[in-house]
Amino acid sequence: DSGVTQTPKHLITATGQRVTLRCSPRSGDLSVYWYQQSLDQGLQFLIQYYNGEERAKGNILERFSAQQFPDLHSELNLSSLELGDSALYFCASSTDRVGSVLTFGAGSRLTVL
Amino acid sequence: AQRVTQPEKLLSVFKGAPVELKCNYSYSGSPELFWYVQYSRQRLQLLLRHISRESIKGFTADLNKGETSFHLKKPFAQEEDSAMYYCALLIYNQGGKLIFGQGTELSVKP
Repeated sequence: DSGVTQTPKHLITATGQRVTLRCSPRSGDLSVYWYQQSLDQGLQFLIQYYNGEERAKGNILERFSAQQFPDLHSELNLSSLELGDSALYFCASSTDRVGSVLTFGAGSRLTVL
Repeated sequence: AQRVTQPEKLLSVFKGAPVELKCNYSYSGSPELFWYVQYSRQRLQLLLRHISRESIKGFTADLNKGETSFHLKKPFAQEEDSAMYYCALLIYNQGGKLIFGQGTELSVKP
C-alpha cells in the first residue's frame, strides 16, 4: 500500500499516560500533517513537517510533540493524557511544502479512560 | 481571524433533488479553497479545488470573493453522494496548513 499508513488504529489508555502515534507518508511525499478530530471541535490542524523540519503549527498543546524522521515517517507524542484528548488523530501527506492537496491516512482512534 | 464556516451539520435531500452545501470563509489573503469528502468507512479525500475549476462526480463549486463563499453544488443528487463533506481553506505561513470547516453530513434518500 503506497498510501498514508497510521498505527495503531485503536488505542485505549488511562489519564496521565503517554502514547505515540506513528505515520508513514505516501511514497514520494515530503510533507506530513497531523490533525485532531473530536466530536465538538471538528478537524483541527496540529502541526506540519516538511522533509524533517517543522513548517507550520496549529493549536497543538504543549503536552503534545511531533517529529519527522530522516526516512520521512512521523510520530506524534501525546503525554499527560486527559479525557479530552480522546479523539481521532489523522495524519496526511503531500508532495509540496504548502499542503495544497492532502492524502489522508485512516486515522488512529485514541480513547483515554 | 482565519475561519471556515459550514452552517449546516446535516443536509437531507431526496434522490434527484438539487444539492447545495454551504461554505463561508474568513481570510485576509488570497483564498485557495477545497472540498474534501469522506464516504462511509473510507478515508477523507479531495473532491475538488477552486483553482481547477472542474466538475467532479457532478459537483461544482465557485469561489465568490464578494460573499466570501465557496458553496458546493450538484443539480441532481444520487444516493452514493451520501457522505461527510468538509470545506477547507489553505493558509500560507512559511509552510501551509489546511483549516477545515465543521463538516456537513449529506444524506440522499431514495
